[in-house]
Amino acid sequence: AQSVTQLGSHVSVSEGALVLLRCNYSSSVPPYLFWYVQYPNQGLQLLLKYTTGATLVKGINGFEAEFKKSETSFHLTKPSAHMSDAAEYFCAVRYTGNQFYFGTGTSLTVIP
Amino acid sequence: NAGVTQTPKFQVLKTGQSMTLQCAQDMNHEYMSWYRQDPGMGLRLIHYSVGAGITDQGEVPNGYNVSRSTTEDFPLRLLSAAPSQTSVYFCATIQGAGETQYFGPGTRLLVL
Repeated sequence: AQSVTQLGSHVSVSEGALVLLRCNYSSSVPPYLFWYVQYPNQGLQLLLKYTTGATLVKGINGFEAEFKKSETSFHLTKPSAHMSDAAEYFCAVRYTGNQFYFGTGTSLTVIP
Repeated sequence: NAGVTQTPKFQVLKTGQSMTLQCAQDMNHEYMSWYRQDPGMGLRLIHYSVGAGITDQGEVPNGYNVSRSTTEDFPLRLLSAAPSQTSVYFCATIQGAGETQYFGPGTRLLVL
């Protein structure tokens, strides 16, 4: 079965520090890869996605992620955390067809 | 352009009651899906549809029915609500292969 693993259900960083949220997927077939953000009591918003081409993908709000096929990873980073980045982050993969598989989410806390 | 809309925003049901969660989109997307979100479990696919008249089961379909008579609407029915169905439900659409999934704002359901 396909799966997505997000290491760390809760991550805390200081304001201005590096944000690193980890995502690994289980498949030898390169999928489409997505990161979504969810603010309290809201739906999911797309941060960035990888489909083909350049493996370093830049998204909104200063986030970026790198697809590493050899490591089956798609970790999300941001050089300097802002208070407004506090939210739940979900990694998702999509293989052939239209079904998405989501990770269990990582809650990011930003400490002033 | 409203995107994906869901009604109601919040609902309380008693065990055994039935209800329909509504989802509508105005983007003319063929693919629509329903997820439930539970703490620590991420989003799990309930049912999906690749076009009007075509539906299929996802990861957790038991206790839910769907139909797709038009491109715009994809209602989710709970025939006999159970406390285990207490969750936040999200409807989502996709335009095509590799494309982004767009989420509605969600419906919070509490089954007593």
